[in-house]
Amino acid sequence: EVQLVESGGGLVKPGGSLRLSCAASGFDFSNAWMSWVRQAPGKGLEWVGRISSKTDGGTTDYAAAVNGRFSISRDDSKHTLYLQMNSLKTEDTAVYYCTTLIVPDVFDVWGQGTKVTVSS
Amino acid sequence: SYELTQPLSVSVALGQTARITCGGNNIVSKNVHWYQQKPGQAPVLVIFRDYSRPSGIPERFSGSNSGDTATLTISGAQAGDEADYYCQVWDSEGVFGGGTKLTVL
Repeated sequence: EVQLVESGGGLVKPGGSLRLSCAASGFDFSNAWMSWVRQAPGKGLEWVGRISSKTDGGTTDYAAAVNGRFSISRDDSKHTLYLQMNSLKTEDTAVYYCTTLIVPDVFDVWGQGTKVTVSS
Repeated sequence: SYELTQPLSVSVALGQTARITCGGNNIVSKNVHWYQQKPGQAPVLVIFRDYSRPSGIPERFSGSNSGDTATLTISGAQAGDEADYYCQVWDSEGVFGGGTKLTVL
């Protein structure tokens, strides 16, 4: 069974940093493209970014709203996806979901999400 | 940037057919994907590439795409289909519609 488990969320002050993790199991993680999608409280879904498999170059793409502040990486040996979030703003408050991708743009399997609150 | 427009809400009688639209400029030129999200849960992919169903999704769910409108159709709507539904395309980045709340009466 494909499973994605996010962790690392919490309360952080504006301007602070946080790293989210997504532990993957039940599929060939090293050959999977992965993505992060977020959802602000009471709002809709917003794409954050994606990373290709290492064999496809390990390239990353980001939404304009987070480009330059957020960074996606992966550790295939640990079957884990990461989202490093720097210079956090109050508008980054959301539940962050990790997803697999049906290449290149279909968010296939979703984790249960981890909540990030940016507040002073 | 590319925009997707969905109605805020759609209502359907139990057992009838619900249609949720997703509008976008020449959306027919794009692959449209649909997600179902029930309260307190993560989204679930129900239709991808306009009309394909992932394994485990009932045949009641179907999709179409023409001109400036893509449509998710739920035939024989059930109480368990009450949820928010989001359409999504790729336009240099992932783009989601604002979501539609489906109510089954």
